[in-house]
Amino acid sequence: GAVVSQHPSWVICKSGTSVKIECRSLDFQATTMFWYRQFPKQSLMLMATSNEGSKATYEQGVEKDKFLINHASLTLSTLTVTSAHPEDSSFYICSARDPRSGNTEAFFGQGTRLTVV
Amino acid sequence: DAKTTQPTSMDCAEGRAANLPCNHSTISGNEYVYWYRQIHSQGPQYIIHGLKNNETNEMASLIITEDRKSSTLILPHATLRDTAVYYCIVSPLGGSQGNLIFGKGTKLSVKP
Repeated sequence: GAVVSQHPSWVICKSGTSVKIECRSLDFQATTMFWYRQFPKQSLMLMATSNEGSKATYEQGVEKDKFLINHASLTLSTLTVTSAHPEDSSFYICSARDPRSGNTEAFFGQGTRLTVV
Repeated sequence: DAKTTQPTSMDCAEGRAANLPCNHSTISGNEYVYWYRQIHSQGPQYIIHGLKNNETNEMASLIITEDRKSSTLILPHATLRDTAVYYCIVSPLGGSQGNLIFGKGTKLSVKP
């Protein structure tokens, strides 16, 4: 199947700093990518939809000024957690659908574990 | 909110078939049934999807009831590596709604 890659796999940062997470579709172009967050022992929660060349769409309760999303190309979306705090510590996962397969399957990155200390 | 209901957890003996049920009584006519699994600390992995006919691939089989209100994912010969959380999701096929809404899933434990 198609490959979606995230970088980094894990990151530890100090409280108040910003962290950027990259999501790349390696073998297909994705006009839309999705960012999820998963807290321990919980399910994935959609945070936002990243649209190439336009503004991201955020889910209710997700602060767009805190979680900056940039989808600058058809193969790259970035999520920047600004002024991170310990409560932002979580597992962040991106996904995209492969248009070559009629968008039938969503492929997920391996996830990024963020720890804010 | 997720439109599916799954048991919280299940156990299965290694080498036996694992049958994971899912209820989706409010499924719409244009919604497919998708199954994903998530092994600890990894991103979800696509398993299979279907509309109304039973489906089979190299990973699993999907049995959908005639009224489409429930389905069962079958792993024919479970291995220890199949231990994961399995998510049943209903979603339109591709299109503008590309995101998936995850419920709590079923934690499958395959035991030796």
